[in-house]
Amino acid sequence: GAVVSQHPSRVICKSGTSVKIECRSLDFQATTMFWYRQFPKKSLMLMATSNEGSKATYEQGVEKDKFLINHASLTLSTLTVTSAHPEDSSFYICSARDMGQGAFITGELFFGEGSRLTVL
Amino acid sequence: GDSVTQMEGPVTLSEEAFLTINCTYTATGYPSLFWYVQYPGEGLQLLLKATKADDKGSNKGFEATYRKETTSFHLEKGSVQVSDSAVYFCALSGTSYGKLTFGQGTILTVHP
Repeated sequence: GAVVSQHPSRVICKSGTSVKIECRSLDFQATTMFWYRQFPKKSLMLMATSNEGSKATYEQGVEKDKFLINHASLTLSTLTVTSAHPEDSSFYICSARDMGQGAFITGELFFGEGSRLTVL
Repeated sequence: GDSVTQMEGPVTLSEEAFLTINCTYTATGYPSLFWYVQYPGEGLQLLLKATKADDKGSNKGFEATYRKETTSFHLEKGSVQVSDSAVYFCALSGTSYGKLTFGQGTILTVHP
């Protein structure tokens, strides 16, 4: 299947700093990627839809200025957590659809390995 | 809107036991249904899928049948292994294009 890679897998930062997480589709092009946040022992919360070449679409309640999303190319989307605070500590997961695999019809998404952010 | 409800966990089983994790959904139209698995510290992997009523998805000994009449997509495995210990998510792709709606996840622990 299609491969989605995230980097870094783990990051620890001080409160007030910004952290960038990259999401790459390694063997396919993705015009749309999705960013999820997962709290401990909880399900995934969709944060935003990242669209190549245009602004991201944020879900209700997600701070656009806190979580900056950029989709600069068909294989890369980045999530920047700005002025991070301890409450931003979480597991962030990106996903993408391989348009060439018929997933366009089924709605199947391929997920990255996730990035665990710890803000001290 | 679309929603997915999974059985409450955690589920603890002995090796070789039979597994069922219930999943029901609410959606308009004809959604695609998925089971994803998340091993500790990792992202989600697609376990199986079904795209229309009466389809049966299967993979690694797991099965789930798309039942439109009961709006269900229950996950089953006849004989679980310790390596099946993970969190299992039921999900659907429905009216909101491109978005998956997830259930709350079910933690499965299999003991030797």
